Amino acid sequence: AQTVTQSQPEMSVQEAETVTLSCTYDTSESDYYLFWYKQPPSRQMILVIRQEAYKQQNATENRFSVNFQKAAKSFSLKISDSQLGDAAMYFCAFKETSGSRLTFGEGTQLTVNP
Amino acid sequence: DAGVIQSPRHEVTEMGQEVTLRCKPISGHNSLFWYRQTMMRGLELLIYFNNNVPIDDSGMPEDRFSAKMPNASFSTLKIQPSEPRDSAVYFCASSYRQGLRNTEAFFGQGTRLTVV
Repeated sequence: AQTVTQSQPEMSVQEAETVTLSCTYDTSESDYYLFWYKQPPSRQMILVIRQEAYKQQNATENRFSVNFQKAAKSFSLKISDSQLGDAAMYFCAFKETSGSRLTFGEGTQLTVNP
Repeated sequence: DAGVIQSPRHEVTEMGQEVTLRCKPISGHNSLFWYRQTMMRGLELLIYFNNNVPIDDSGMPEDRFSAKMPNASFSTLKIQPSEPRDSAVYFCASSYRQGLRNTEAFFGQGTRLTVV
């Protein structure tokens, strides 16, 4: 069974600064997807970014980028130029390519200070 | 597209009552998921459907929980009878599965259920 671990229950960052959220996972699969979801106070789960394990290039979406280290089973999220609207709970998630189930980490609560 | 639509957004009910949560997936998606979010257990998959057929219901906590998907645009999650420990946020999500691959899952806004 896969497990996803987020070791930082809470993080804070100053507006306009950069913050990195950590995620590690454990799997015996070689073909899978990794995701970061954002959950603001509105409760909606919003997909931020995804990474396919077979791709060596790190995914980037505007101010959001990942550092994917497959051998280390590490998948961190970097938020550049943090904005107040980035404040939310962030979840790392794993999915086998041939599967449908998402396995989520415990979440990291990000606070953005003005 | 309006995204995944769940109703109601909030539900407060008394212990022992029947509760029905509803979900309309994104048009064209053929996989539908029900997740539950609690402080103690985080986000956990309860059941998922592919082409309206339940594929994996191993996450359904007990017989009090049941889910149906009568057609491609509607699903329900029913709890009967409800108990206080069922209080949680219930999410519905949908994705498109082609062959062995799914697109990413898109989530609804969730239903916050409180059982008193």
